[in-house]
Amino acid sequence: EIVLTQSPGTLCLSPGERATLSCRASQSVSSSYLAWYQQKPGQAPRVLMSGASSRATGIPDRFSGSGSGTDFTLTISRLEPEDFAVYYCQQFGSSPWTFGQGTKVEIK
Amino acid sequence: QVQLVESGGGVVQPGRSLRLSCAASGFTFSCCGMHWVRQAPGKGLEWVALIWYDGSKEYYADSVKGRFTISRDNSRNTLYLQMNSLRAEDTAVYHCARYVTGTGLDYWGQGTLVTVSS
Repeated sequence: EIVLTQSPGTLCLSPGERATLSCRASQSVSSSYLAWYQQKPGQAPRVLMSGASSRATGIPDRFSGSGSGTDFTLTISRLEPEDFAVYYCQQFGSSPWTFGQGTKVEIK
Repeated sequence: QVQLVESGGGVVQPGRSLRLSCAASGFTFSCCGMHWVRQAPGKGLEWVALIWYDGSKEYYADSVKGRFTISRDNSRNTLYLQMNSLRAEDTAVYHCARYVTGTGLDYWGQGTLVTVSS
């Protein structure tokens, strides 16, 4: 099983600041099979990025993804009030598909 | 528009069974792999199971293997999760989600709550 470890657990930032979220895999993941999701309280998750760096439909360009192998990054260039949420990475290259434990981005 | 609506959750005693349904609309259901993902109260996301677009293959998390069965009826645009031998640790909101190759889980239902308690 591929274990995804996200860091930090919580990120305290102000609107307008840059957020950098990390997702590290216990073994290599094809970048084609790494996705990022955003979840707000009481809502279902929504996909932000797939293929590690491709924004999903309707996702603003302040969100970007990068990485390969075992290290992946989600960057939010300038935090908007609606971006404060929990973010998860997921690999879907091999079963069992796994999620990271999440990074909470909260308002400082 | 794409819609996924789960149903069938509720309170059930340990050891009993429950069947969840996910009604799909707004897209060609038979196109896509479908997943169940759960979230225990206050916890993160846990992938549960996957079924291929035609039902020919299934995959499960180790935590539910042998107890849960995923299935689908493409003629009824419905996904199912049969859950047997339920345990307290299965308590969670269960979401169904659509998978399109290369896009991850692009549509999710709002979820149905399963509470396993005596």
